[in-house]
Amino acid sequence: NAGVTQTPKFQVLKTGQSMTLQCAQDMNHEYMSWYRQDPGMGLRLIHYSVGAGITDQGEVPNGYNVSRSTTEDFPLRLLSAAPSQTSVYFCASGAGTNQPQHFGDGTRLSIL
Amino acid sequence: GENVEQHPSTLSVQEGDSAVIKCTYSDSASNYFPWYKQELGKRPQLIIDIRSNVGEKKDQRIAVTLNKTAKHFSLHITETQPEDSAVYFCAATSTASKLTFGTGTRLQVTL
Repeated sequence: NAGVTQTPKFQVLKTGQSMTLQCAQDMNHEYMSWYRQDPGMGLRLIHYSVGAGITDQGEVPNGYNVSRSTTEDFPLRLLSAAPSQTSVYFCASGAGTNQPQHFGDGTRLSIL
Repeated sequence: GENVEQHPSTLSVQEGDSAVIKCTYSDSASNYFPWYKQELGKRPQLIIDIRSNVGEKKDQRIAVTLNKTAKHFSLHITETQPEDSAVYFCAATSTASKLTFGTGTRLQVTL
């Protein structure tokens, strides 16, 4: 049972490049979410999904897209990377919003 | 939307002492309040949670209290140990299906 798997673990991009952060869970959770973690600012919600085919914006959605075509996968796309998007990104899943959230190991992203 | 404030930002206690971290929330409809522990370079991990129909919950050395009227909740760690050193985050869920986190408390347990 792998839980929540995020790939890659580390990535360096140049400004303007695009990329997709992958997130997969094998717990059949309906709720999935993406957070970014910056020093002194805690975990800020980027996008979330309450089930396949349903996504919604969180606190800091600008510059990011998501889709949820299956229950298992919830990729996060950076459309045109900017230095302000340098951060650690965490994906999480849970049976619902008011249920324990299980986090992946994170992706450390640097934008030059 | 929901706003969660967490205090203090840093906390240093001696081994064996108690530690208390406090959070306030803004949305009176919030009904789920988890606490996460994050060690350096690791993922956040749930340590305890409480729902709005309960005032207190304990799990060994960890307890959480909730005051819905005042819209605040607290984490209490007794008999602290060096392995309790980490960053702790509180969070609250609003009716909009969003989990909002506080900014974290760095707990240092000294020998």
